[in-house]
Amino acid sequence: DQQVKQNSPSLSVQEGRISILNCDYTNSMFDYFLWYKKYPAEGPTFLISISSIKDKNEDGRFTVFLNKSAKHLSLHIVPSQPGDSAVYFCAASGVGGAQKLVFGQGTRLTINP
Amino acid sequence: EPEVTQTPSHQVTQMGQEVILRCVPISNHLYFYWYRQILGQKVEFLVSFYNNEISEKSEIFDDQFSVERPDGSNFTLKIRSTKLEDSAMYFCARLPLNYNEQFFGPGTRLTVL
Repeated sequence: DQQVKQNSPSLSVQEGRISILNCDYTNSMFDYFLWYKKYPAEGPTFLISISSIKDKNEDGRFTVFLNKSAKHLSLHIVPSQPGDSAVYFCAASGVGGAQKLVFGQGTRLTINP
Repeated sequence: EPEVTQTPSHQVTQMGQEVILRCVPISNHLYFYWYRQILGQKVEFLVSFYNNEISEKSEIFDDQFSVERPDGSNFTLKIRSTKLEDSAMYFCARLPLNYNEQFFGPGTRLTVL
């Protein structure tokens, strides 16, 4: 079951530059998309989300873009900071806020000083 | 961000034994979820719990698993007869009122020997 895919297992970015994490999905019934950040031995921490009626949502250094026709979303972090080093998970849910989350495999982001 | 705690942080058990994992939300919520992450794999949905009843469960959530909210506060996941493949991080999540995002606890690491 690969409804949500993150094709890059890892990404290395220099401090101060932009980090772009990508996510693809196959289920057209997904209505809400989220990004979570995870440190080792901790639970996923909610970062930012976007509804399918929007194509962009911004929160400080974090921006999520949604391309429904391509079934693709991306997370932009600018400028990248060392504290951003973590595993980032893309997740999707169906219509209605209480639906289960379907996660991607995660991308390990490393910010180099 | 709404808080939740999980106990124990680490549980080691012998194959065939029963384990109970606990989740304690700080404030009231209607929706609760259990997810797990086997080492190196994606976070997977197990079960959602609404108004003291299971609202959805995955194929993973077979007869060996059960959930309940015994005292109106703690939210528990019971595995009746653990198997080696049950070794994973188990995360409780909750959907607070007026939120669209699920918030995760720190997780319980279950090791089955």
